[in-house]
Amino acid sequence: QKEVEQNSGPLSVPEGAIASLNCTYSDRGSQSFFWYRQYSGKSPELIMSIYSNGDKEDGRFTAQLNKASQYVSLLIRDSQPSDSATYLCAVKTLYTGTASKLTFGTGTRLQVTL
Amino acid sequence: ETGVTQTPRHLVMGMTNKKSLKCEQHLGHNAMYWYKQSAKKPLELMFVYNFKEQTENNSVPSRFSPECPNSSHLFLHLHTLQPEDSALYLCASSQELWTGRSDTQYFGPGTRLTVL
Repeated sequence: QKEVEQNSGPLSVPEGAIASLNCTYSDRGSQSFFWYRQYSGKSPELIMSIYSNGDKEDGRFTAQLNKASQYVSLLIRDSQPSDSATYLCAVKTLYTGTASKLTFGTGTRLQVTL
Repeated sequence: ETGVTQTPRHLVMGMTNKKSLKCEQHLGHNAMYWYKQSAKKPLELMFVYNFKEQTENNSVPSRFSPECPNSSHLFLHLHTLQPEDSALYLCASSQELWTGRSDTQYFGPGTRLTVL
């Protein structure tokens, strides 16, 4: 079983619509959750982090976390063509007694169409 | 600009060459990471350094050799690579590795490596 799973897409949404990106993870001990955006040929860029169950909003982005269901999502309101990118879900998990690491999903490619 | 720089940005090398990738962070962080990103695969963690000490070698072949002379600099020395090693190599840094912290990792722009 993959540690962090995402639908690879592409997810196609029209401009102005809400894009919904989903991620599930396998380690119940996971502590922190992150969404990165990666444009083609570029490095990942952090856009959201969430640590507690519920919603966290930042501008057009809302991250949602449900630890019981081991599920984290990212909503993008009023999608713009510039939002077209691959969105990586990353989960921080313990790997030794005193250290943790980020485990990434394969990413979901989002296409916002005109 | 995340405060993490990498050089070179592009590298083409033959299988018998020796080259090095360089990463520098200007964020005052104490942990640095090397990742490999191949097409259609998740980011693969290769090496982790915390306060200059290597804390993880994720079963990486010995043809990749990391070096961390101080908390701001990280190198990846390459020798006798294979064509399947062609990928985007990303460096990242974070405040530290300790559990319970909510800090995250900031990535450099990457080095696109092609092995002929």
